[in-house]
Amino acid sequence: EVHLVESGGGLVQPGGSLRLSCAASGFTFSSFGMHWVRQAPGKGLEYVSGISMDGRSTYYAANSMKGRFIISRDNSKDTLYLQMGSLRTEDTAVYYCARAVTGNPGVAFDIWGQGTMVTVSS
Amino acid sequence: QSALTQPPSASGSPGQSVTISCTGTSSDVGGYNFVSWYQQHPGKAPKLMIYAVTERPSGVPDRFSGSKSGNTASLTVSGLQAEDEADYYCSSYAGYSNFVAFGGGTKLTVL
Repeated sequence: EVHLVESGGGLVQPGGSLRLSCAASGFTFSSFGMHWVRQAPGKGLEYVSGISMDGRSTYYAANSMKGRFIISRDNSKDTLYLQMGSLRTEDTAVYYCARAVTGNPGVAFDIWGQGTMVTVSS
Repeated sequence: QSALTQPPSASGSPGQSVTISCTGTSSDVGGYNFVSWYQQHPGKAPKLMIYAVTERPSGVPDRFSGSKSGNTASLTVSGLQAEDEADYYCSSYAGYSNFVAFGGGTKLTVL
């Protein structure tokens, strides 16, 4: 069965850093683009970042996250990462990793993890 | 403020049809045929219902259909069932600089 399992969330102070991980299983991880989408408490979905199947291309939302978040992947470990820095209170959200439907540009997400909660607070 | 505009709520009785709109611009919805729709039940991860404007993933009932006209995409749910009550989000490819834009979500209530 296809699974994505996020980890690494938690409580962090403003200005701090955190690295999220997403472990994939049940499919050939290296054949799919992967993405991060977040959802603040009681709010809607917000695109964060994406990465191509080979890791050579990365995509970021054109807003305050750009420059503070870095997406990467390790295809030998079937794992997606999101390095988050200079965290702000408004970054508080559930962070989901998601698999992209094959094809270009791969912007539909057919498999989602259960999410990991990131809370930025002093 | 979300990039794509959706009505905050929609409703219908069991068996009826309801349509949810998603309005963007020529830089996203109107410029590409890459609109997706997601269903999200409380406390759960989103589920892909429609992609590439009209395509249904395997396992999604054919009661769900998508369409697009100009800068506005629509999701129609026919033969409403109680389990369709959820939040629905649209998304669209928005070019390389923005990549993906989401709508603010629509809460669908089955009366």
